[in-house]
Amino acid sequence: DIVMTQSPDSLAVSLGERATINCKSSQSISSSSNNKNSLAWYQQKPGQPPKLLFYWASTRESGVPDRFSASGSGTDFSLSISSLQPEDVAVYYCQQYYTSGHLTFGGGTKVEIK
Amino acid sequence: QIQLVQSGAEVKKPGASVKVSCKTSGYSFTFYGISWVRQAPGQGLEWLGWIRTYNGNKYYAKKFEDRVNMTADTSTTTVYLELRSLTSDDTAIYYCARDPLHFSFSASPQPSDSWGQGTLVTVSS
Repeated sequence: DIVMTQSPDSLAVSLGERATINCKSSQSISSSSNNKNSLAWYQQKPGQPPKLLFYWASTRESGVPDRFSASGSGTDFSLSISSLQPEDVAVYYCQQYYTSGHLTFGGGTKVEIK
Repeated sequence: QIQLVQSGAEVKKPGASVKVSCKTSGYSFTFYGISWVRQAPGQGLEWLGWIRTYNGNKYYAKKFEDRVNMTADTSTTTVYLELRSLTSDDTAIYYCARDPLHFSFSASPQPSDSWGQGTLVTVSS
């Protein structure tokens, strides 16, 4: 099974500053057939289901503010918030969907305001 | 608009089974697969499996494959999750979630863009 490891577990960032979350997969999740990386990012606020932010590692879901960006390839990926806003306080998860039949999530990163 | 409405909270005893429903509306039911994801109290997300509503094909996480069953009823556009032999470790919120718009007719599990509100399943003696 592909293991997804996120870092850090939590981070506190001042309002307006950048937050960066990392996600590493235990094996490459880059498909040679379509040259895409099968990685998604979610945001989960307390008491709510997760919200999809990105898929194919860097394709932004409709309606996601452009202060959110995502990048990476192979085994190393990141999610950045360029200017943290109060509404961005949440737990963020990465998820690989490379392995048909067994999707896996990272452990989550809690983003708070410093 | 797209809606996934799940059944209400359940309390079960160890060893019992639970069946959670996910009633969908607002889109073509057979165009998109449905995943089930759970979240234990204060913990992260765990993927249980996926069903292709187009033909009923399923993928289950290895951890659950001997005690989970997912079904889809096209007449009522409802998906069901049944989990057997419950233990206290199965206490969690269970979510159904749909494949994203750009992944219609996918033959394998995908990320999810629309989620149900969650169903709390509590396993306690």
